Amino acid sequence: GESVGLHLPTLSVQEGDNSIINCAYSNSASDYFIWYKQESGKGPQFIIDIRSNMDKRQGQRVTVLLNKTVKHLSLQIAATQPGDSAVYFCAEISGGADGLTFGKGTHLIIQP
Amino acid sequence: DTEVTQTPKHLVMGMTNKKSLKCEQHMGHRAMYWYKQKAKKPPELMFVYSYEKLSINESVPSRFSPECPNSSLLNLHLHALQPEDSALYLCASSQERQGAAGNTIYFGEGSWLTVV
Repeated sequence: GESVGLHLPTLSVQEGDNSIINCAYSNSASDYFIWYKQESGKGPQFIIDIRSNMDKRQGQRVTVLLNKTVKHLSLQIAATQPGDSAVYFCAEISGGADGLTFGKGTHLIIQP
Repeated sequence: DTEVTQTPKHLVMGMTNKKSLKCEQHMGHRAMYWYKQKAKKPPELMFVYSYEKLSINESVPSRFSPECPNSSLLNLHLHALQPEDSALYLCASSQERQGAAGNTIYFGEGSWLTVV
């Protein structure tokens, strides 16, 4: 079964607000995590990644937080824009394993 | 824009047809992948090539046949597919195999396949 999952299938936020997308994983051997954004009709686009020896990483308007104690990953998007509307997947890799394991995905909807 | 290029973007084929999906990357990556994605589902790994050799086959039926002619190209040959094989087929690449932490995997835009 899947070792990575998401709490909410759909998240609706107002334009300009911050959004938080959550992800839970079960494999304690996971050592690398990636967030992807997938717009309708397109392939997954890399957003940000984090290694297991870190607990926070920031990019442009995005922050990924990793809590290894509770096996929880989150993606924070600041000042959401209409272009942020997409499905967001978390994915993980376990050390030595091949193949990204994806979570189910959260559909982020930005309301005007 | 992704640097992994997939063709064709859309393909409709009959169950007796033979067709191929093509993928190309010029980032010097040595690992390439095929994923399958059904509607409203996450991508699922099918094949992994590392240094032009098949290293992972996730129990994919033989009607899907991958080929890696060189380090920049990856093909997926299709024969005698079933309607349930209709999906988005994604190609991806990375510098090395996915087992290396921090080894970013980049996806193409995918080929939409419909089997009729």
